Amino acid sequence: SQQGEEDPQALSIQEGENATMNCSYKTSINNLQWYRQNSGRGLVHLILIRSNEREKHSGRLRVTLDTSKKSSSLLITASRAADTASYFCATVNSGGYQKVTFGIGTKLQVIP
Amino acid sequence: EAQVTQNPRYLITVTGKKLTVTCSQNMNHEYMSWYRQDPGLGLRQIYYSMNVEVTDKGDVPEGYKVSRKEKRNFPLILESPSPNQTSLYFCASSWDSGPNQPQHFGDGTRLSIL
Repeated sequence: SQQGEEDPQALSIQEGENATMNCSYKTSINNLQWYRQNSGRGLVHLILIRSNEREKHSGRLRVTLDTSKKSSSLLITASRAADTASYFCATVNSGGYQKVTFGIGTKLQVIP
Repeated sequence: EAQVTQNPRYLITVTGKKLTVTCSQNMNHEYMSWYRQDPGLGLRQIYYSMNVEVTDKGDVPEGYKVSRKEKRNFPLILESPSPNQTSLYFCASSWDSGPNQPQHFGDGTRLSIL
């Protein structure tokens, strides 16, 4: 099974609304990262949250991490059509510093 | 411009015909990695390299080879491709193999093995 599993797998919202995506994982982690993938392109790093952090902000992005529940959420506020993409969480296991495990992603569609 | 460059971007070939996908980065990164992306399975790591002449298997290494003779290049070799290797492949690099380094991805190579 996937280390990082995103929920929902697909999300469709109107422009201006907030979008929330969740990620669950199974093992102890060093950090958790979120990436974005536009159709047909490579992944782009959005934000990294370390295991000792609970919340992090970057522009319209807000990430939370709950290590007791082994889960993270990515909130995109005031969404725009240009936010349409797939979003992946990636975990870096503690003790395995070069091992990055990606989930299967959430496909977000923002309707203008 | 800092980038990871993969070639080719698209390739259709036949079973058994050896092929190489090149990957080059211009950021002097130590760590490089190959992934394959399949519907419903997300990205799975094939091989990674922590530095020149240092490579190791990821989650799905069978049927693939890599080499890291110079820091900037990390080619992926399919000695005898099979249809189950039809996939979208990504090369990525990061400054080092430390846990808090974000990865920079190429734009992908779509391989179809007939």
